Amino acid sequence: GENVEQHPSTLSVQEGDSAVIKCTYSDSASNYLPWYKQELGKRPQLIIDIRSNVGEKKDQRIAVTLNKTAKHFSLHITETQPEDSAVYFCAAPYSGAGSYQLTFGKGTKLSVIP
Amino acid sequence: DADVTQTPRNRITKTGKRIMLECSQTKGHDRMYWYRQDPGLGLRLIYYSFDVKDINKGEISDGYSVSRQAQAKFSLSLESAIPNQTALYFCATQQSTDNEQFFGPGTRLTVL
Repeated sequence: GENVEQHPSTLSVQEGDSAVIKCTYSDSASNYLPWYKQELGKRPQLIIDIRSNVGEKKDQRIAVTLNKTAKHFSLHITETQPEDSAVYFCAAPYSGAGSYQLTFGKGTKLSVIP
Repeated sequence: DADVTQTPRNRITKTGKRIMLECSQTKGHDRMYWYRQDPGLGLRLIYYSFDVKDINKGEISDGYSVSRQAQAKFSLSLESAIPNQTALYFCATQQSTDNEQFFGPGTRLTVL
């Protein structure tokens, strides 16, 4: 199956600074790599994703970069705000044996200090 | 708005009891998933279903069973609950023509 490693497990930044969360995956065939955000007491929600034929994707203050050769992708949040405080999960698909399922990283708890 | 709902939202039960968690969706999606979330372990897949007659085991299926009663309903059962099944359980849906998974609000299960 897919092995997904996510670092760091916790991250504290000052409001206005940038935050970077890194993720590595093992299945070189993975062609869709999402990031989910889970606010305290809420459900996970997709915030951004990237396909393997693209090196970078931006959506306002968030961006994802992909190094397909090294099999790692990163979430970048610029000009952080208190509402960015949450747990962030990366994920990668496993397509073995005709199935399709996402394997999630263990999560990064981001705290933005006002 | 089309949504994914879970019942119950919270449940406390005792070791050895049979428990059923239910998931319903009005999104019209064909794929449905059950995950459990434990602190520091992320989301781990228990079972998934691509259609009414399709059931597949995930990473941690031991001790669980599922039923896909209709396209819109996917239930998770614990035949004989044990304390290490205490966790937050999420249902998710996905349309086969898209990649995004949509999560329900979660069920917090405590097994004493």
